[in-house]
Amino acid sequence: QSVLTQPPSVSAAPGQKVTISCSGSMSNIGKNYVSWFQHLPGTAPKVLIYDNTRRPSGIPDRFSASKSGTSATLDITGLQTGDEADYYCGSWDSSLTAGVFGGGTKLTVL
Amino acid sequence: QVQLVESGGGVVQPGRSLRLSCATSGFIFNSFAVNWVRQAPGKGLEWVALISYDGSYSYYADSVKGRFTVSRDKSKSTVYLEMNTLRAEDTALYYCARDNPSSGSIWSFDYWGQGTVVTVSS
Repeated sequence: QSVLTQPPSVSAAPGQKVTISCSGSMSNIGKNYVSWFQHLPGTAPKVLIYDNTRRPSGIPDRFSASKSGTSATLDITGLQTGDEADYYCGSWDSSLTAGVFGGGTKLTVL
Repeated sequence: QVQLVESGGGVVQPGRSLRLSCATSGFIFNSFAVNWVRQAPGKGLEWVALISYDGSYSYYADSVKGRFTVSRDKSKSTVYLEMNTLRAEDTALYYCARDNPSSGSIWSFDYWGQGTVVTVSS
């Protein structure tokens, strides 16, 4: 059972938009920054978003995120088949004094 | 260019120890915190540990607290993860990752290594 809750899977057609949710609590998302990661198992995860909404250089603006209260969302627009991957949210938890990830969401581009 | 390279993984019996290394290059080692993250087979990402840029503090996941110790050697630009009393559930691909200098968070990532596999089995 992950501290942050994500849907196990989402799917959409190429060119469409998908939203992945991440639900936490006051001690993590409510008080700290959220990051989003794209991961293909066996490869190094890639940071898509940090500090709630900021994109590292090289990440296209098709990827955007927001945070409200104890929840966060990742939006991916103009879906491409290459976007198929697992997506994770993560945050620091001030009560646990630990980093926490969501359980991951598998994106399928139909 | 920035590089992080993990090593030290392998097959180890339950209850034994293993030390992972994360050799870094391409940046000022003493200026960055480093995290360890793992992924067990068929499972999601799990944060393991964080060591501050100067080694003055570290944090651990509850699942490894008291068994794992993270340290760093500035003369070798290397971070270590000493893993003791290993359990089957520690079997995973272990990644090290540098923190993001642009982030305002205590917990951030930018460059990652490719990982090293630890298998705990009798």
